[in-house]
Amino acid sequence: GQSLEQPSEVTAVEGAIVQINCTYQTSGFYGLSWYQQHDGGAPTFLSYNALDGLEETGRFSSFLSRSDSYGYLLLQELQMKDSASYFCAVPDNQAGTALIFGKGTTLSVSS
Amino acid sequence: NAGVTQTPKFQVLKTGQSMTLQCAQDMNHEYMSWYRQDPGMGLRLIHYSVGAGITDQGEVPNGYNVSRSTTEDFPLRLLSAAPSQTSVYFCASMGQGATDTQYFGPGTRLTVL
Repeated sequence: GQSLEQPSEVTAVEGAIVQINCTYQTSGFYGLSWYQQHDGGAPTFLSYNALDGLEETGRFSSFLSRSDSYGYLLLQELQMKDSASYFCAVPDNQAGTALIFGKGTTLSVSS
Repeated sequence: NAGVTQTPKFQVLKTGQSMTLQCAQDMNHEYMSWYRQDPGMGLRLIHYSVGAGITDQGEVPNGYNVSRSTTEDFPLRLLSAAPSQTSVYFCASMGQGATDTQYFGPGTRLTVL
């Protein structure tokens, strides 16, 4: 089967840098995605890595190592509005067009 | 574009009742999915569709039916509601060939008493 592991909670202060790790087990690999979800809201897409290395989008970066079945989301210059849940996800093997999600990491940013 | 829309936003059912959660998208996406989200469990795939007339089961399909008669609509039916189906339900869509981005609707918060 497929599974993803990520920490349940992370805390940080405004202006800091935080890294959210994700390890995955999947028999076929098509890429690792990251989604953000604020309380009461819908998940929204943040980033996607199909190849090894770092992808940067503004204050957020995502890294993938396929050989280690590992990735992380890096959030820099943290702001209060970054307080949310963050999910890593991989395509469902059977569907290929839906996602299997980790259980999510709740990030709390304090001032 | 409205994106992905879901109705209703909130619903309370009694055990044994049936209902349909509506989902529609106006982006002409081929792929649509239903997820449920429970505290501490992340999002779990219920059913998905790769195009009109084609549906399949995901991780937790029991107690739910789907159909896809048009590209735009993908309703989820609860046949006989149970308290275990109390959850937040999200519909999502994705363009064909795009394995990276799913667009989610705002969710339906369902309580089964």
